[in-house]
Amino acid sequence: GAGVSQSPRYKVAKRGQDVALRCDPISGHVSLFWYQQALGQGPEFLTYFQNEAQLDKSGLPSDRFFAERPEGSVSTLKIQRTQQEDSAVYLCASSSGLLSYEQYFGPGTRLTVT
Amino acid sequence: AQKITQTQPGMFVQEKEAVTLDCTYDTSDPSYGLFWYKQPSSGEMIFLIYQGSYDQQNATEGRYSLNFQKARKSANLVISASQLGDSAMYFCAMREANTGNQFYFGTGTSLTVIP
Repeated sequence: GAGVSQSPRYKVAKRGQDVALRCDPISGHVSLFWYQQALGQGPEFLTYFQNEAQLDKSGLPSDRFFAERPEGSVSTLKIQRTQQEDSAVYLCASSSGLLSYEQYFGPGTRLTVT
Repeated sequence: AQKITQTQPGMFVQEKEAVTLDCTYDTSDPSYGLFWYKQPSSGEMIFLIYQGSYDQQNATEGRYSLNFQKARKSANLVISASQLGDSAMYFCAMREANTGNQFYFGTGTSLTVIP
């Protein structure tokens, strides 16, 4: 069975450009999470979806960050007007239930803003 | 205050020896879960072990065990019989019942297994 996949794996953007990062969770997984991992740091929570509903977006660092999961499966994290401080690895994770403690992570998208 | 503290940026261990990776946490929620993840150079986070705050016994998963000391708020990971493939970053994380969805991660420990 396929795991969580993310695309692109690497993205280079010029400052000010918009980017879109895609996450394909494990089929049937209700919960989907986005994390930001800066170099040398642990992942930091960005946002959480239960099916198509975005239940928690408290970790999004600014209003330039936007996430959606319109059909309750694939999710897209969009960053508008990218800044250098947005350079990081963006990790997506999914889990099978609301209280399921085991999250399955994707390989991440490494974003570099120049 | 940091929710998760990992004070060892880097650790070395001889192959076949045991190693302990430290983790302390901070929460006022009586219900929480503690996790350890492994992140190899490929970047993917791999779940290793889980300990619930009400669990009476320390969690074990194969060569991994979690030394849970609730009063001291510590959740150290013990890897027995280290293998070369254990070389990776290791992250301690916590999930609180009150905040529910958020995982709080530490800054990680880089483990290198020496042949």
